[in-house]
Amino acid sequence: ETGVTQTPRHLVMGMTNKKSLKCEQHLGHNAMYWYKQSAKKPLELMFVYSLEERVENNSVPSRFSPECPNSSHLFLHLHTLQPEDSALYLCASSQDIGFLYNEQFFGPGTRLTVL
Amino acid sequence: AQSVTQLDSHVSVSEGTPVLLRCNYSSSYSPSLFWYVQHPNKGLQLLLKYTSAATLVKGINGFEAEFKKSETSFHLTKPSAHMSDAAEYFCVTYSSASKIIFGSGTRLSIRP
Repeated sequence: ETGVTQTPRHLVMGMTNKKSLKCEQHLGHNAMYWYKQSAKKPLELMFVYSLEERVENNSVPSRFSPECPNSSHLFLHLHTLQPEDSALYLCASSQDIGFLYNEQFFGPGTRLTVL
Repeated sequence: AQSVTQLDSHVSVSEGTPVLLRCNYSSSYSPSLFWYVQHPNKGLQLLLKYTSAATLVKGINGFEAEFKKSETSFHLTKPSAHMSDAAEYFCVTYSSASKIIFGSGTRLSIRP
């Protein structure tokens, strides 16, 4: 499989559940990203990892916990979420960070609904 | 500070007619600029990018964009719209600290 894959594609969870989103990139990239896309709001960058090290955390609540065990895999662990966390969560990767012309490759996203 | 502004939240055109999606940028230096497309229930895909090598940039699916420094614009165009072009389009730049900055998006609808 090529590109960036995300599982699951759809997830419905209650506020007391714990779940994880998975992202995998098959491009040999060094940087990976989590984004949140809510209806009628700009795309929000949540976390940036470079060579498995977190380099950016944009004031994301602690109920979202990222994990990057290696440069090909990225997880987003979810616990005690709120209904307003319902959104499309997108994963992306790029060759490196910090390059002005760095193209990001996106996965198809996980549609999360919190009841 | 660097920023991008997409001037239209929604554009509707008839199939076979030209497409124009507008993006203005703000930057204190020569910016890097991108256009991404997002089809329903899909991730974003790069259409084209400006790398300062040429002001007219050609992308995939017949799209192109022209960098105009005097107008601080990077508008996306296509001569003839196709039904498959219906999607959300994002103009993107990077800050001086290499932070990615997305525009608010323009939804393109195509009328048969």
